[in-house]
Amino acid sequence: GEDVEQSLFLSVREGDSSVINCTYTDSSSTYLYWYKQEPGAGLQLLTYIFSNMDMKQDQRLTVLLNKKDKHLSLRIADTQTGDSAIYFCAERPTGGGNKLTFGTGTQLKVEL
Amino acid sequence: KAGVTQTPRYLIKTRGQQVTLSCSPISGHRSVSWYQQTPGQGLQFLFEYFSETQRNKGNFPGRFSGRQFSNSRSEMNVSTLELGDSALYLCASSLDGTDGYTFGSGTRLTVV
Repeated sequence: GEDVEQSLFLSVREGDSSVINCTYTDSSSTYLYWYKQEPGAGLQLLTYIFSNMDMKQDQRLTVLLNKKDKHLSLRIADTQTGDSAIYFCAERPTGGGNKLTFGTGTQLKVEL
Repeated sequence: KAGVTQTPRYLIKTRGQQVTLSCSPISGHRSVSWYQQTPGQGLQFLFEYFSETQRNKGNFPGRFSGRQFSNSRSEMNVSTLELGDSALYLCASSLDGTDGYTFGSGTRLTVV
């Protein structure tokens, strides 16, 4: 079945890079997504990667996909206090229609 | 362009009542999905509508229902509310379900 796992917490210092990891079980996933959720808000789409790609870069964000290990990571360069939030990865499995399966979320805390 | 609009933002209902939540997708988007977010279960898929037809459904009881209108606006209804239905209900829209999903800010439902 579908299962997406993430570590619960990550703390970094301002200016450092953050790496948030995610593992998924459905090898047939077509798209993998990263969302950001700030307190009291909905989900903000940060980026997504198609399963035939290994890497995608978008300004301070770099997504790496290791299909063999079913591992997805989100690197945030030069992390700022405004990046403090919960980050969710999600997969869209083939044959699962347009249903996204979300991970538990990683709370990123950026300290001065 | 306007984002995904969900109304109301907050709602308090009593057990046994019913509730209707509304979602207006981004103009031109025909796919609307609904998710429930709770601290215990995380983000769970409720259902997806495309061109007024339900395409996918999650594992929720029949008390949860939805519909989509010809202008792509969607509503979800929960009947016979239970305390456990207290959650943040999020709506997401996309062009046709194959691109990134844009979420609204959600409706926070509290059942007392």
